Formats: sequence, C-alpha cells, structure tokens
Amino acid sequence: AQSVTQLGSHVSVSEGALVLLRCNYSSSVPPYLFWYVQYPNQGLQLLLKYTSAATLVKGINGFEAEFKKSETSFHLTKPSAHMSDEDEYFCAVSYGNNRLAFGKGNQVVVIP
Amino acid sequence: AAGVIQSPRHLIKEKRETATLKCYPIPRHDTVYWYQQGPGQDPQFLISFYEKMQSDKGSIPDRFSAQQFSDYHSELNMSSLELGDSALYFCASSSSSLAYEQYFGPGTRLTVT
Repeated sequence: AQSVTQLGSHVSVSEGALVLLRCNYSSSVPPYLFWYVQYPNQGLQLLLKYTSAATLVKGINGFEAEFKKSETSFHLTKPSAHMSDEDEYFCAVSYGNNRLAFGKGNQVVVIP
Repeated sequence: AAGVIQSPRHLIKEKRETATLKCYPIPRHDTVYWYQQGPGQDPQFLISFYEKMQSDKGSIPDRFSAQQFSDYHSELNMSSLELGDSALYFCASSSSSLAYEQYFGPGTRLTVT
C-alpha cells in the first residue's frame, strides 16, 4: 500500500528561522507528491505538488519542496518562519489512482 | 474563484440516526472524492466518483453509501451512526485533465452523540 511518513507531530521553529518538514514515501515507483496546509477547523489547501517535472517545486506562501528519488523524500522548507505559518501540514502521495494517502501531519509551532 | 462547497458545515446526530452530507464540486470538475478525518488524525480516503460512476473505493464502512448526480454534485449517506463516526468529512474535486490536483472543500463536522 502506498504510504508516506512524516515524523514528529509538532515541529517547533523560531520566528525567522528555517522551517523544515520532512516527508518520505515508500515506493520504488516515484509517485505524485503533495503538501497541503490545514487551517484550524477548515479544509486542506494545496501548497505545492510534484508531478515528475522539475524536482524543486515552489509553492504558495514562500514554501518550496525538493523531490529526491535516491532518498525517497519530498521535504518542505521555508527560509523564514512567520507566526502566520502556525498551521498543520500534511504530506500526501498518489500513484495515479488519484486517491491521496496522507502522512500523520506536522503541527508547526513558531516561537517568537 | 469558485471553490468546493459542502453542506452542512456542522451536523449533530444521535447514535443509530442517519445523515446526508452534500458536496458541490468546482464548476467543470468531473471527479469527486470523499475523505474522513477523525480527531487528531490524517484524512482517510473513503470513495470517489468520476462521471457519476464509482471510480475507487477505500475504507468506507458498509453503512455508508455515496453517489454522484448528473450535475456532478455528490452525496454521502451514512446510516446507523456510531460514536466513532464523529469526524470531519471532506469532499474534494478535480478535473480529469488534471486528475492528480484535488481541491478540498471546508468539510462537514459530524458529531454523533
């Protein structure tokens, strides 16, 4: 079964510091990969996606992610954390059947 | 831009009751997906429809059924509700030309008491 791993339910980062959220997928076949952000009690908004084009993908709100096949990873980064980044972030994978399989999510906590 | 609409946004039901959740996809989107997110959990895929036909089925209980109508809206019918059905139910839609890009609605929060 397709799966994606996100470690650490809460990720703390100082305001202005690098945000790094890790995501690893388990497959020998590169899937489609996504990062979603979930605002409190709301739906999921697509931050960015990898669909076998450029390996470095830029998304909204200053986020970007790099697909590394050798590491089966798709880590999300943002150069400088803001208080407004305090949300929950989900990595997700799809293998063409279109259903999304999500990781457990990371709640980002920004320390002033 | 138009987004996915879900109704109702909140629903409170008692055990053994039935519930119907509605989803209106983005205009010109022909595929609808349903996900269930329990408290503190990641969203789990339930079922999807393409052009009014079921296209994929995940971990959807037999007590639940769903369909997509001619106007592409979808309904998730839930019967014999259990306490464990309390969750946030998301609908997402996509276009077959960009099937991997799903847009999510705000969700329906179902509370079963």
